[in-house]
Amino acid sequence: GQQVMQIPQYQHVQEGEDFTTYCNSSTTLSNIQWYKQRPGGHPVFLIQLVKSGEVKKQKRLTFQFGEAKKNSSLHITATQTTDVGTYFCAGPRVYNTDKLIFGTGTRLQVFP
Amino acid sequence: KAGVTQTPRYLIKTRGQQVTLSCSPISGHRSVSWYQQTPGQGLQFLFEYFSETQRNKGNFPGRFSGRQFSNSRSEMNVSTLELGDSALYLCASRDASNEQFFGPGTRLTVL
Repeated sequence: GQQVMQIPQYQHVQEGEDFTTYCNSSTTLSNIQWYKQRPGGHPVFLIQLVKSGEVKKQKRLTFQFGEAKKNSSLHITATQTTDVGTYFCAGPRVYNTDKLIFGTGTRLQVFP
Repeated sequence: KAGVTQTPRYLIKTRGQQVTLSCSPISGHRSVSWYQQTPGQGLQFLFEYFSETQRNKGNFPGRFSGRQFSNSRSEMNVSTLELGDSALYLCASRDASNEQFFGPGTRLTVL
């Protein structure tokens, strides 16, 4: 079946350092979404990218969607302790756009 | 608008029992999806309902079932509980956009 893998699984950074998580799908995705889940919380939608090669920014966060629409990345510049949580990518397959497949997630820990 | 609500928030059951979880989507949202989240398996898609019909199904055994009512509220049922069913069960609703709005989840513990 379709798999969406994320690396790294865990990342510990010092506050102020940058952070990147990579998302790779075995099949072409219709779009890519990113969610953040704080410890003890539930996933919260961050953004959606639809176009091949698309890049979007939200303050310190930069999201990219690969040219082949099979991979994506989330980069955080100058991390803060409020960035702590698990970041998930998620995407529906091209031929079944209603079924969202979540990535394995990257847990970010930021030390002050 | 009120967010997605799930009841109960916590549940403890024993093996062999069955359980029903409830989800009320955001008003106006007709799609409701259910996910199982465990430390080892991450977020696994269970099923999605739209206008009272199951539109998609994940790779879970038949012990996992669900339904949706005319007011878009949804329930999921797990019969003959196993220890491995211990997890956080998340419900998410969406409208015509792809953005999923998650509820707080029901944490199920099977003893």
